[in-house]
Amino acid sequence: GDSVTQMEGPVTLSEEAFLTINCTYTATGYPSLFWYVQYPGEGLQLLLKATKADDKGSNKGFEATYRKETTSFHLEKGSVQVSDSAVYFCALKGPGANNLFFGTGTRLTVIP
Amino acid sequence: DVKVTQSSRYLVKRTGEKVFLECVQDMDHENMFWYRQDPGLGLRLIYFSYDVKMKEKGDIPEGYSVSREKKERFSLILESASTNQTSMYLCASKYPGQGLTEAFFGQGTRLTVV
Repeated sequence: GDSVTQMEGPVTLSEEAFLTINCTYTATGYPSLFWYVQYPGEGLQLLLKATKADDKGSNKGFEATYRKETTSFHLEKGSVQVSDSAVYFCALKGPGANNLFFGTGTRLTVIP
Repeated sequence: DVKVTQSSRYLVKRTGEKVFLECVQDMDHENMFWYRQDPGLGLRLIYFSYDVKMKEKGDIPEGYSVSREKKERFSLILESASTNQTSMYLCASKYPGQGLTEAFFGQGTRLTVV
C-alpha cells in the first residue's frame, strides 16, 4: 500500500543554517506529494505541493522537488529562522484516492 | 479562506464516557476526515466520509464511530472513552477525486481521558 517514510527528528539548527528533511514514499502510479507544517498549538497547514515528476513546490523559502527515480520529496530551506520552528509532515495522495498518507512528522527547533 | 472549525481545543473526559468531537467546514467539501496525532506515530486516519451519510474506516477505527448527517459537519464519537484514546484529534476536509486537491485542517482537539 501507499506509505511515506520521513526523517526522524527532532532537528535542532541555529538561525540561518541550511535545512534538509528527508522524505521517501511508496505508491502505485503517480501520487501527489505535499509538505504540511504544524506550528505550536495549531492544526496543519499546507506548506507546498507537487503533482508530477520533476515538479518543484516552493513557499516561504522552502522547496521540495518530486523525484520519481528516487521516490523522494525532500524539504529544503537555505536559511532557517526561529519562526520556522514547527513540526513538518510529508504526505502523499494516490491518483484517484481521496485520503492522504502522512509521515510521522519531524520536529524542527531553530535557536537564535 | 477555507475554515475548518473543531468545537473544542481541549477536553477532559472520564473513562467510560461517551464523547462527541464536532467538526464543521464552510467550503462545501465532499470529503471529510478524522485523524489522531500521537508522538512518533504521526497522523493516523480513523474514519473518512466521502459524502453525506457515507463513511469508510481508516487505519484505526476501533473504539470510534462517525456521523455525517449534513455536508458541512462530521462528528467523531468515542462510544466508551478509554485512557488509550488520550490524543490530539484533527479534522480535515477537501474536494474529492482526481487532480491536486489539498486538505484543510482544523486547529485540533486535545482530548485527555482520565
